[in-house]
Amino acid sequence: SFELTQPPSVSVSPGQTANITCSGDKLGKTYTSWYQQRPFQSPMLVIFQDTKRPSGIPERFSGSNSGNTATLTIRGTQAMDEADYYCQAWDVSTVLFGGGTKLTVL
Amino acid sequence: QVQLVQSGPEVKKPGASVKVSCKASGYTFTRYGISWVRQAPGQGLEWMGWISGSSDNINYAQKFQDRVTMTTDTATSTAYMELRGLRSDDAAVYYCARGESAGAGSYYTQKTTFDYWGQGTLVTVSS
Repeated sequence: SFELTQPPSVSVSPGQTANITCSGDKLGKTYTSWYQQRPFQSPMLVIFQDTKRPSGIPERFSGSNSGNTATLTIRGTQAMDEADYYCQAWDVSTVLFGGGTKLTVL
Repeated sequence: QVQLVQSGPEVKKPGASVKVSCKASGYTFTRYGISWVRQAPGQGLEWMGWISGSSDNINYAQKFQDRVTMTTDTATSTAYMELRGLRSDDAAVYYCARGESAGAGSYYTQKTTFDYWGQGTLVTVSS
């Protein structure tokens, strides 16, 4: 199976746009989900099927997937968005998670 | 509202087994699958496997194939994950997560995502 690679950390100023990438050999041929995990909390789905937002997730969260890279974009980043973010995809019958990206809102 | 409520923390000795439960409510249990995902201290998420609500579709991650058993009890809408032969590196928070498969019911597809998560169960392995 292929691997999903994320940058360990991303920093952003409040109100700016954060982009978190997830790279994998065959990522563009499958669907990517993104999860937010705040400290001491369970993961929470923020994007599924590359671009869709679950009910209750703010519009500032968006996703894209092209070629070998999926991207989670957070526009107008707020302090409450500071968290770990994980991408996830299926490789046939196996679930893959990226290693996670710590988003710091400075 | 959908809820997944997991059993409490466990302390086990090396070589022992642990069985974690995940009680679902707020939806029709047999129409969705459940995955188990663990997270070692300070580490990322690691998928362990999938079980459909009616347990007719089970798929374990290769890494755990020899040591894990996933089951469901449809009468109580509860999923279980048993891990045998515990080692120190099995110490982690174990999560159950509901699989939403975009119309494919309780079977996983490439579109399957995990839309609700349990609160996690801390498993400590110590002699």
